[in-house]
Amino acid sequence: LAKTTQPISMDSYEGQEVNITCSHNNIATNDYITWYQQFPSQGPRFIIQGYKTKVTNEVASLFIPADRKSSTLSLPRVSLSDTAVYYCLVGQTGANNLFFGTGTRLTVIP
Amino acid sequence: GAVVSQHPSRVICKSGTSVKIECRSLDFQATTMFWYRQFPKQSLMLMATSNEGSKATYEQGVEKDKFLINHASLTLSTLTVTSAHPEDSSFYICSARKRGGTFHEQYFGPGTRLTVT
Repeated sequence: LAKTTQPISMDSYEGQEVNITCSHNNIATNDYITWYQQFPSQGPRFIIQGYKTKVTNEVASLFIPADRKSSTLSLPRVSLSDTAVYYCLVGQTGANNLFFGTGTRLTVIP
Repeated sequence: GAVVSQHPSRVICKSGTSVKIECRSLDFQATTMFWYRQFPKQSLMLMATSNEGSKATYEQGVEKDKFLINHASLTLSTLTVTSAHPEDSSFYICSARKRGGTFHEQYFGPGTRLTVT
């Protein structure tokens, strides 16, 4: 599994767009990029997954450049309830397990 | 759909006793379930992978005789912490993958906070 690097923490004001970048220089051809969100004392929740270019769902957008060595999770107009830890994971579909990195602790400020 | 439950949500036990944690997939069949441990302010650490009807596969450094995992059905896996000690106090989280599911399709339970006194 490719190792990922994310900022340890980020702060943002309510209503702003937040972009969290993840580096995965050793990503393999068959690897997908997946982001999870975790609130305190809860299990992680799947946010979004992508392979290349851009993926958007009702919660977030995921931008992946052509070389796929990084990815950016974009959260539009964050609210206080978006305060959580966000994990970027890279691995192959069909792989059996998930290895979580350090994650990015996002704090949304009123 | 894809709801995973854990029971209990919180447990306090005395040192030397054993504790069983249940993980259930409520609305789907889970051929594979995973157990994670998370210490405060740290990331999730995979402990073991559990396949229905077979022995669990433990990650390096995880004692299989201390953390007993049973995956007796397609909807239930249990983790038993035997002879618990204060250093076993942690947040234990399970996840389940649907039959035929892909890498990202793991659904996590709400976690169980274990405190050993």
